[in-house]
Amino acid sequence: GQSLEQPSEVTAVEGAIVQINCTYQTSGFYGLSWYQQHDGGAPTFLSYNALDGLEETGRFSSFLSRSDSYGYLLLQELQMKDSASYFCASLTGGGNKLTFGTGTQLKVEL
Amino acid sequence: DTGVSQDPRHKITKRGQNVTFRCDPISEHNRLYWYRQTLGQGPEFLTYFQNEAQLEKSRLLSDRFSAERPKGSFSTLEIQRTEQGDSAMYLCASSLALGNQETQYFGPGTRLLVL
Repeated sequence: GQSLEQPSEVTAVEGAIVQINCTYQTSGFYGLSWYQQHDGGAPTFLSYNALDGLEETGRFSSFLSRSDSYGYLLLQELQMKDSASYFCASLTGGGNKLTFGTGTQLKVEL
Repeated sequence: DTGVSQDPRHKITKRGQNVTFRCDPISEHNRLYWYRQTLGQGPEFLTYFQNEAQLEKSRLLSDRFSAERPKGSFSTLEIQRTEQGDSAMYLCASSLALGNQETQYFGPGTRLLVL
């Protein structure tokens, strides 16, 4: 089966840097995506890694190591609005099916 | 707004009733997905369409669930004889398939409560 593990909760202060880890066990793996979801809202796409290495998009960066079945999302210069749930999701099945982890709730404090 | 839209946003129904949800994808997207999300969990894949063809269904999609995308544009998800366990957020997503890399964009969801 497919499974992705993330920490359930992370707390950090405004302005800090936080890393959310994701380990996965999937077959037919194409890549790893990250989504942000605020309470009551829709998941919003943040980044996607198909190849090993770091992808940077503004304050957010994502890393993938296919050999270790591991990835992380790095959030820099944290802002209060970054408080949300963050999901890693593996893309499988011909590159079209997302399997989500259980999510990490990030709390940003003053 | 040219994002994915879903209707209704909220639905309360009594056990045993049928409900139907609609999803309008981003206009140029050829793939459309349905997911279900319960509290504290990530979205779970239900089914997806490429144009009007339904290409995959999860084992989570029991016989009471049916999805259509008749003209390759909007899609409907129907749940017959609803049960309390069907209470969840039903999310629709769409994407433009280009090779093996695509980004799925999610709609706001339909929150279903079965009493």
